Amino acid sequence: GAVVSQHPSWVICKSGTSVKIECRSLDFQATTMFWYRQFPKQSLMLMATSNEGSKATYEQGVEKDKFLINHASLTLSTLTVTSAHPEDSSFYICSARRGDHEQYFGPGTRLTVT
Amino acid sequence: GQNIDQPTEMTATEGAIVQINCTYQTSGFNGLFWYQQHAGEAPTFLSYNVLDGLEEKGRFSSFLSRSKGYSYLLLKELQMKDSASYLCAVIDSNYQLIWGAGTKLIIKP
Repeated sequence: GAVVSQHPSWVICKSGTSVKIECRSLDFQATTMFWYRQFPKQSLMLMATSNEGSKATYEQGVEKDKFLINHASLTLSTLTVTSAHPEDSSFYICSARRGDHEQYFGPGTRLTVT
Repeated sequence: GQNIDQPTEMTATEGAIVQINCTYQTSGFNGLFWYQQHAGEAPTFLSYNVLDGLEEKGRFSSFLSRSKGYSYLLLKELQMKDSASYLCAVIDSNYQLIWGAGTKLIIKP
């Protein structure tokens, strides 16, 4: 199978600081990566679609200036939560697409903003 | 609009069989996924159907009927570790994943 990693797996930060989350496809190249957030007991919510070498496409209601996405290579995408606030505390999950339809998820990053 | 429906919660007994249904209305169809998600963890891949019929993989089977916009996930010989949420997701014509809200499966001894 395909492996997608995320780093860090959990992070605690103070309100007003920025946090960067990395998503890597370890054994395949992913032209497209997706970022999701999930609140407790709720379904995954797509935040943005990230294509290598181009700007990310954000879903309605997601602030692109707050959630900065960089897809620098075919194996790495980063999500930076800028000026984090307690309401940004959530489970952030990335996925990477291989081929036309195979999509594999990272283990997720739990962000807590104090 | 695009919509995927699946039951919110189901309860079954250890050792039994359970079927989780999923119906969808999407703009185009390029396949349907089933994922398992334990609390606090990311989803893990269970199955992918793009053609009509039944795909069997160990204790888990997934069925698809494109004409009916319907799929089900069948879990046999239920184990306590199968207690989780099961997510149905469809790839639409733009190759975007459309997610159902998930079915929470509770296994009782």
